[in-house]
Amino acid sequence: EPEVTQTPSHQVTQMGQEVILRCVPISNHLYFYWYRQILGQKVEFLVSFYNNEISEKSEIFDDQFSVERPDGSNFTLKIRSTKLEDSAMYFCASSWATDTQYFGPGTRLTVL
Amino acid sequence: GQQVMQIPQYQHVQEGEDFTTYCNSSTTLSNIQWYKQRPGGHPVFLIQLVKSGEVKKQKRLTFQFGEAKKNSSLHITATQTTDVGTYFCAGLNDYKLSFGAGTTVTVRA
Repeated sequence: EPEVTQTPSHQVTQMGQEVILRCVPISNHLYFYWYRQILGQKVEFLVSFYNNEISEKSEIFDDQFSVERPDGSNFTLKIRSTKLEDSAMYFCASSWATDTQYFGPGTRLTVL
Repeated sequence: GQQVMQIPQYQHVQEGEDFTTYCNSSTTLSNIQWYKQRPGGHPVFLIQLVKSGEVKKQKRLTFQFGEAKKNSSLHITATQTTDVGTYFCAGLNDYKLSFGAGTTVTVRA
């Protein structure tokens, strides 16, 4: 069964550094998403992406964040200057249409 | 913005008992989805409800979507230890899933 994959599984970085989280969505899906989950809290929407552009973003997704689909398979989330409060699990998800979203295993980001 | 509230936050259940978790949205939803997240895992899609008043069953799980499409419930019968985890409802509007805070279920054997 096709799966969303994410790399790395765990990323440790220093405050102020840039990080790029990578995702490979399910191959025939057209919609892509990033969510984050701070430890012990609920899953929070960050951004959705369709047709090579952002379709919706939350207030969390400020100008420190950006997304890109650099080729036909990868979908990345970049955080330009990480803050301590960016420490969380980041989930990528994809869907064929605006319905069922399939989540990847997540990248645990730790900002020191 | 849209808010999705979920209660209870924690559910401690004796194995074999039934329980229900409830989800309420501040706005009408185009559909509602339920996910299960095991400890240390990622959200796994369980089901999607689209129609007003819709009821769907998956073995011991019964999902219901309210008539006004603003609330939903998940009822689990004869709870098993494999039911342990956090159950999230998520309301879909446009491209965005808004998750509830989840109900974390623990089971006493």
